[in-house]
Amino acid sequence: EVHLVESGGDLVQPGGSLRLSCAASGFTFSGYWMSWGRQAPGKGLEWVASIKHDGSEKSYVDSVKGRFTISRDNAKNSLYLQMNSLRADDTAMYYCARPAGGYSFDYWGQGTLVTVSS
Amino acid sequence: QSALTQPPSASGSPGQSVAISCTGTSSDVGGYNYVSWYQQHPGKAPKLMIYEDYKRPSGVPDRFSGSKSGNTASLTVSGLQAEDEADYYCISYAGSDNYVFGTGTKVTVL
Repeated sequence: EVHLVESGGDLVQPGGSLRLSCAASGFTFSGYWMSWGRQAPGKGLEWVASIKHDGSEKSYVDSVKGRFTISRDNAKNSLYLQMNSLRADDTAMYYCARPAGGYSFDYWGQGTLVTVSS
Repeated sequence: QSALTQPPSASGSPGQSVAISCTGTSSDVGGYNYVSWYQQHPGKAPKLMIYEDYKRPSGVPDRFSGSKSGNTASLTVSGLQAEDEADYYCISYAGSDNYVFGTGTKVTVL
């Protein structure tokens, strides 16, 4: 069974940094693109970033370009999101998701909460 | 990368049907056959309900159906049940490994 478990969320001050992790199990992690999405409190879902199987290609939503970096360690079946220069509007639940056929996301984690506030 | 437009809310009585629209542009919804739909109950992770505009993953009831015309995709829930009350989101592939999410629709079963 596929499991995605996020961790690393915390309360951080504006301008601070945080690194999120996603531990994957139940499938061949190195064979899939992986993505991060987020959901601000009471708001809709938003795609944040995606990374190719081998890490050679990455893409980001415009609002996080230059501040966030997605990466992965296939040996550890883990996905990461390094978040720098955090702003209040980055406050959200961050989800790890597995892109599947047809550019959909067939599995999502339960999320980890990032709060940016002074 | 503007969000896809969905109605904020939709409702229906048990047994009725409800349809949710998802409007984008020719660069996303209308440009690819890659619209997917997700159901999200409060405090839970999203669940894939429809992919590639109209295909249903195994385990999803056939009460859920997807369609698309031009730049607008639609999710129809037929034979509404109490457990269908949730938020629903559409997502479209937008090229160059980018995605655009919908604004979300809260479905209420009256």
